[in-house]
Amino acid sequence: DFQMTQSPSSLSASVGDTVTITCRARQSISSYLNWYQQKPGKVPKLLIYAASSLQSGVPSRFSGSGSGTDFTLTISSLQPEDFSTYYCQQSYSTPYTFGQGTKVEIK
Amino acid sequence: QVQLQESGPGLVKPSQTLSLTCTVSGGSISSDGYYWSWIRQHPGKGLEWIGYIYYSGNAYYNPSLKSRVTISVDTSKNQFSLKLSSVTAADTAVYYCARDIHMVTTGIWFDPWGQGTLVTVSS
Repeated sequence: DFQMTQSPSSLSASVGDTVTITCRARQSISSYLNWYQQKPGKVPKLLIYAASSLQSGVPSRFSGSGSGTDFTLTISSLQPEDFSTYYCQQSYSTPYTFGQGTKVEIK
Repeated sequence: QVQLQESGPGLVKPSQTLSLTCTVSGGSISSDGYYWSWIRQHPGKGLEWIGYIYYSGNAYYNPSLKSRVTISVDTSKNQFSLKLSSVTAADTAVYYCARDIHMVTTGIWFDPWGQGTLVTVSS
């Protein structure tokens, strides 16, 4: 399996901050990397696909970058509704696997 | 707009078979290029992909669950189903169904997802 490791596991930030979450694969997955947001008790929501493509309807303050083994999700000007858990997911190889999640909390 | 909805028992006894159905509305399960997945989330934990099926009936399972999983499709009802046999407490989780978007050059992602259903394995 392609293990995905996110860092940090959690972080505290303030409204208006810029937040960066990292996802690392143990071997190259090209750009086959997606990002999801999950609010407590809610369904995961697709934010970014193919490493850097913004899903329709997702605010432009969300952006993704990276290829190979290292990827980042950046949230610019954090908003109150962005406090959630974020997961990366690789689709380079089955079984598709997710990172362990990064919880973004209010400072 | 495609929507998915899981249904099935919320409580299953150990050693029995967990059975869930996902009903797709707002679109056809037989649409080319879309696969249909089951994903689960243990309480307070991360996400685990269980497997997918194509409308043709072609399915692929996570090797970690392969010996116990069957995913099937009923195109006449626009539904697909999950069966997980010999369940234990470790199978207690929220089970989601989702549509896979498969793009040869850019990969596979899940969108949309069903609301999820909590299945508890307990006697």
